[in-house]
Amino acid sequence: EVQLVESGGGLIQPGGSLRLSCAASGFTVSDNYMSWVRQAPGKGLEWVSLIYGDGTTYSADSVKGRFTISRDSSKNTLFLQMNSLRAEDTAVYYCARASHWNEFDYWGQGTLVTVSS
Amino acid sequence: QSVLTQPPSVSGAPGQRVTISCTGSSSNIGAGYDVHWYQQLPGTAPKLLIYGNRNRPSGVPDRFAGSKSGTSASLAITGLQAEDEADYYCQSYDSSLSDYVIFGGGTKLTVL
Repeated sequence: EVQLVESGGGLIQPGGSLRLSCAASGFTVSDNYMSWVRQAPGKGLEWVSLIYGDGTTYSADSVKGRFTISRDSSKNTLFLQMNSLRAEDTAVYYCARASHWNEFDYWGQGTLVTVSS
Repeated sequence: QSVLTQPPSVSGAPGQRVTISCTGSSSNIGAGYDVHWYQQLPGTAPKLLIYGNRNRPSGVPDRFAGSKSGTSASLAITGLQAEDEADYYCQSYDSSLSDYVIFGGGTKLTVL
């Protein structure tokens, strides 16, 4: 059974750093296109970053240069390193797996990041 | 402002049919990129509802149907049920933006 479990969220001050983890089971992270998607309180879904099976990464303009997506094959885990955090980064962060049509077929339960002083 | 435009809200009575539109442009839906739809119940993660414009994952009732034409896509829900009350999002890709993955702004479905 495919499962994605995020962790690492919490309250952080503006300018701070946080690393989110997404532990996967039931499939191999490094064989799949994986993504982070966030949702600010009361708002819609916003794509953040993706990593393809070959390791190629892309990030949204809003986080480029501040957030880095990566993975650890030995732990079958996806990460999101978030630096220089801003209040507008406050959101629930979901990891998601993409399938054959590039749709996100499995999502984690999300982890809340709150950027506030 | 989302690249894919959805109506903020739609509503219908139990048993009725509603449609949710997703309007894009020649650089995303019109360029041939597939459209996918997600259902998000309150307080939960999004769930894949339709993939590849019109395909339903296993377990999704055939009351949900997707279509795509030109630069737009639609989600139709027939035989509305109370449990269909949720937020619905379309998603695609865009070749002209650095934000490669794009979502619609979401549509709140209210079952009256």
